[in-house]
Amino acid sequence: DIQMTQSPASLSASLGETISIECLASEGISSYLAWYQQKPGKSPQLLIYGANSLQAGVPSRFSGSGSGTQYSLKISSMQPEDEGDYFCQQSYKFPWTFGGGTKLELK
Amino acid sequence: QVQLKESGPGLVQPSQTLSLTCTVSGFSLTSNSVHWVRQPPGKGLEWVGAIWSGGSTDYNSALKSRLSISRDTSKSQVFLKMNSLQTEDTAIYFCTRSVLWVTPGAFDYWGQGVMVTVSS
Repeated sequence: DIQMTQSPASLSASLGETISIECLASEGISSYLAWYQQKPGKSPQLLIYGANSLQAGVPSRFSGSGSGTQYSLKISSMQPEDEGDYFCQQSYKFPWTFGGGTKLELK
Repeated sequence: QVQLKESGPGLVQPSQTLSLTCTVSGFSLTSNSVHWVRQPPGKGLEWVGAIWSGGSTDYNSALKSRLSISRDTSKSQVFLKMNSLQTEDTAIYFCTRSVLWVTPGAFDYWGQGVMVTVSS
């Protein structure tokens, strides 16, 4: 199985700060990479697919980049509503796998 | 609009079989894939398996021997059956959609999830 290693596990950011979350795949996944945000008690919401394509309705302060085995999610200008858990997910090989998650809090 | 809704028992005894239903609306099962993803309390997400638009299935290899996913297109329902349940199967079970030509490999709509507890 492809292992997805996310870092950091937790992050505290100030209002307006730019933050990045990293996702490292155990082998190349050819940009078959998605990012999700999950708030407490809610279902995950798709933010980015195909490593860098913004899902409809998602604010433009979210962006994704990367290739091969290394990918990142950037939030430019942290907002209060961005608090939550973030997960990466690969769909290059079965079984599709998720990263362990990053908890993002407002400082 | 697109909606998915899971239903099923909240409590299952160890070694018994779990049966969940995902009822969808706003899209066709014959042109979209539906997946099951689970999340143990306070932990991360695990892909369980999928049924594709043509009716074929793929399962997480770690669960394959205990798992079956099927559907009834006339009722817009997808079914998950998992046998020999153990306490480690306690989780929120989500059904979710992936559309190959819209968001390939990603899940664009999710159900609210159903909490399943395995306990005697």
